[in-house]
Amino acid sequence: DTAVSQTPKYLVTQMGNDKSIKCEQNLGHDTMYWYKQDSKKFLKIMFSYNNKELIINETVPNRFSPKSPDKAHLNLHINSLELGDSAVYFCASSRKAGGTDTQYFGPGTRLTVL
Amino acid sequence: SQKIEQNSEALNIQEGKTATLTCNYTNYSPAYLQWYRQDPGRGPVFLLLIRENEKEKRKERLKVTFDTTLKQSLFHITASQPADSATYLCALGRWGSQGNLIFGKGTKLSVKP
Repeated sequence: DTAVSQTPKYLVTQMGNDKSIKCEQNLGHDTMYWYKQDSKKFLKIMFSYNNKELIINETVPNRFSPKSPDKAHLNLHINSLELGDSAVYFCASSRKAGGTDTQYFGPGTRLTVL
Repeated sequence: SQKIEQNSEALNIQEGKTATLTCNYTNYSPAYLQWYRQDPGRGPVFLLLIRENEKEKRKERLKVTFDTTLKQSLFHITASQPADSATYLCALGRWGSQGNLIFGKGTKLSVKP
């Protein structure tokens, strides 16, 4: 059973296109996150939702728009893709927001913008 | 701005030795610190958490220390095995930050048989 799943695993697309990445967790967690891991391997938080409500919105271009249809799903839509968007995007979830709760990560989506 | 440094990008050790990885931070006062393991092509996996009022935590062959005066955490793997080869990430968190963890770049550990 996969706890946090993401689709697709790989995404190759042209500059200017719009794409979406989907994430689902079956852990019953309240909180979900999107992270970006760039070529230098830094893992940086982008967004977090708690019970479908946005609670963390780091400095991210507004071409990135998260959507949480229910607390088990958090999707990421990216408009007008740019070369600099190439990275691995990880979805994660935790039982609650804040505190010391462990974050469970998905396998990642490698996005390549040509 | 806050900064997290993990001692080296890569650490090579011989099987059976103790691996020691370092996480230093500046301009930040974490309430807790977590260590994660990341294998190539996979997401990070949680290993250990230590709070600011704890000096040391252990789990099987893993040990973490946290020195808020030195602003440093040490992560030890005793009796290391080739299967321990991976990238290890430290992450800092604060109460009330709503789960916003600040991650270090990681140290890639290679354990040679």
